[in-house]
Amino acid sequence: QQPVQSPQAVILREGEDAVINCSSSKALYSVHWYRQKHGEAPVFLMILLKGGEQKGHDKISASFNEKKQQSSLYLTASQLSYSGTYFCGTENNAGNMLTFGGGTRLMVKP
Amino acid sequence: DADVTQTPRNRITKTGKRIMLECSQTKGHDRMYWYRQDPGLGLRLIYYSFDVKDINKGEISDGYSVSRQAQAKFSLSLESAIPNQTALYFCATSDLGTGNTEAFFGQGTRLTVV
Repeated sequence: QQPVQSPQAVILREGEDAVINCSSSKALYSVHWYRQKHGEAPVFLMILLKGGEQKGHDKISASFNEKKQQSSLYLTASQLSYSGTYFCGTENNAGNMLTFGGGTRLMVKP
Repeated sequence: DADVTQTPRNRITKTGKRIMLECSQTKGHDRMYWYRQDPGLGLRLIYYSFDVKDINKGEISDGYSVSRQAQAKFSLSLESAIPNQTALYFCATSDLGTGNTEAFFGQGTRLTVV
């Protein structure tokens, strides 16, 4: 089953923050986050493994709550380059298939 | 050269025709996937394979078939294409290990069935 993402779309001004959520009805082993620019392939941002860890690079970070089967992606002080569609991908068990959510379209305006 | 290569990049075909989309990778990964992307529906899993002898249906496999010819090659076939199979198709690969299973995507194949 596909994980569920919210919101479906976000419009920001440069410098504003955003949070994208991802939830699953099944127990999760890992959560992936990807960003896709229009007309391009999705590109990997980060992976979080069960254990409640939080990761980040630059001003993009994510958390994973294993008990709630949820993950959130945090974009801080957004830049124009953050625009795109963000996907979360989930694996239910180690070595299992990777399924994706419906995506969140993020638009950052000057 | 790209790590994951899809051919063709664009294809227009007629209803009822058989068509094959090909994917090859140089990552040495065991896992390969075919996804379909439609506006508002995200990436939906069609088929996946964890090795040459292991092929599995995904969420939307009806109307599709696959072949894993080698570790590096994974093809998707539409036996009799229909207009609602018009979509952007992505192949992806990832390692079979635990912990570092980042997926690498091909550039996509835009398929139009008329």
